[in-house]
Amino acid sequence: ETGVTQTPRHLVMGMTNKKSLKCEQHLGHNAMYWYKQSAKKPLELMFVYNFKEQTENNSVPSRFSPECPNSSHLFLHLHTLQPEDSALYLCASSQDGTGGEETQYFGPGTRLLVL
Amino acid sequence: GENVEQHPSTLSVQEGDSAVIKCTYSDSASNYFPWYKQELGKRPQLIIDIRSNVGEKKDQRIAVTLNKTAKHFSLHITETQPEDSAVYFCAARRWGTALIFGKGTTLSVSS
Repeated sequence: ETGVTQTPRHLVMGMTNKKSLKCEQHLGHNAMYWYKQSAKKPLELMFVYNFKEQTENNSVPSRFSPECPNSSHLFLHLHTLQPEDSALYLCASSQDGTGGEETQYFGPGTRLLVL
Repeated sequence: GENVEQHPSTLSVQEGDSAVIKCTYSDSASNYFPWYKQELGKRPQLIIDIRSNVGEKKDQRIAVTLNKTAKHFSLHITETQPEDSAVYFCAARRWGTALIFGKGTTLSVSS
């Protein structure tokens, strides 16, 4: 299962730290997504990028900042997070808008703990 | 936007029994409905999907049905096995948008 990779797999950070999550897809897809998975809200959509352009931002706080430099890479920059931001952050990709396969494939996730 | 409701939140069955999980969606323009299985500590993985031009799809012990008029779709697992124990998520989307997921069903199959 190496189609979508994420690093790091685990991250512990303080509330004043700045860190970045990285996602890379090797499937030739043109759309990438960030989801947050927690006990309270499983698989909550955060951001959507199509052809490197952000198309959806689901009212995510500004302490989360996405970046998509190309259609294969997606970052989530984190700063001044809160303990309630502790969760599993999942990246996904799909091929959209061209009549191709639309299945979303997920990465293994980054388990984030904010102290 | 789309809203997906999923029931039940937990489901316990005996090995060999059938399990049914139901979802409803709100956006009548949604046309793609996948089901994902997530085992403990692993990523969600697609197990079956259905498009709005089809009413039913089957893959071995797993089947999905779609009722567009009522805006609901269901996952059916027959002859359940302990390895079917996991969290199952339904999702819905219209063309060109991201998947919106239900809250998940924790299925426990006891032998």
